[in-house]
Amino acid sequence: QLQLQESGPGLVKSSETLSLTCTVSGGSISSSNSYWGWIRQPPGKGLEWIGSVHFSGRTYSNPSLQSRVTMSVDTSKNQFSLQLTSVTAADTTVYYCVRASRLMTADYWGQGTLVTVSS
Amino acid sequence: DIQMTQSPSSLSASAGDRVTITCRASQSISGFLNWYQQRPGKAPKLLIYSAFTVQSGVPSRFSGSGSGTDFTLTISSLQPEDFATYYCQQSYATPFTFGPGTTVDIK
Repeated sequence: QLQLQESGPGLVKSSETLSLTCTVSGGSISSSNSYWGWIRQPPGKGLEWIGSVHFSGRTYSNPSLQSRVTMSVDTSKNQFSLQLTSVTAADTTVYYCVRASRLMTADYWGQGTLVTVSS
Repeated sequence: DIQMTQSPSSLSASAGDRVTITCRASQSISGFLNWYQQRPGKAPKLLIYSAFTVQSGVPSRFSGSGSGTDFTLTISSLQPEDFATYYCQQSYATPFTFGPGTTVDIK
């Protein structure tokens, strides 16, 4: 059974860079049929797809965040990561890492991690 | 961007009720529509993908239909564990977008 677990600081200062890592267990991050993504959800609000990365290096980022987002895969550690630069209070949300199929269906989710941006 | 809307935004129902939630896309998305369930404090869970395919392990009381711009999620007989928020998501075109959610609570 595939499992995903987010890790990273729960508190980031405004204007700094948010960095999160997702560790994948129970499967290989090098699967050609898998895309590894990030979705976020402000407390009590809806969901926003941040972006996806394939182990080959192919990435997709939501245009609303594209200029601030970097995603990468570390196949040696079976991990993928998200960096979001120049954070503001609007980036205070729960961040989920997900596994997406070729159809971009998020079929496995991490438990989510709350990141708070402080001033 | 493709805008997704859902109706109703919330509904109250009793165990055993048949519940239908509607999702509409601002343009045709063919059958690239997914449904997720989110219980309070938990991560969303995939229920239905490609409009009508039930994800493995999801009870058969959940079903999906539709194509183009209009889609529905139906719960044939609501169970206590089904009280949650339901989101639709289009995977037809980037950026992939979600509906605002429909909360199903206990009448």
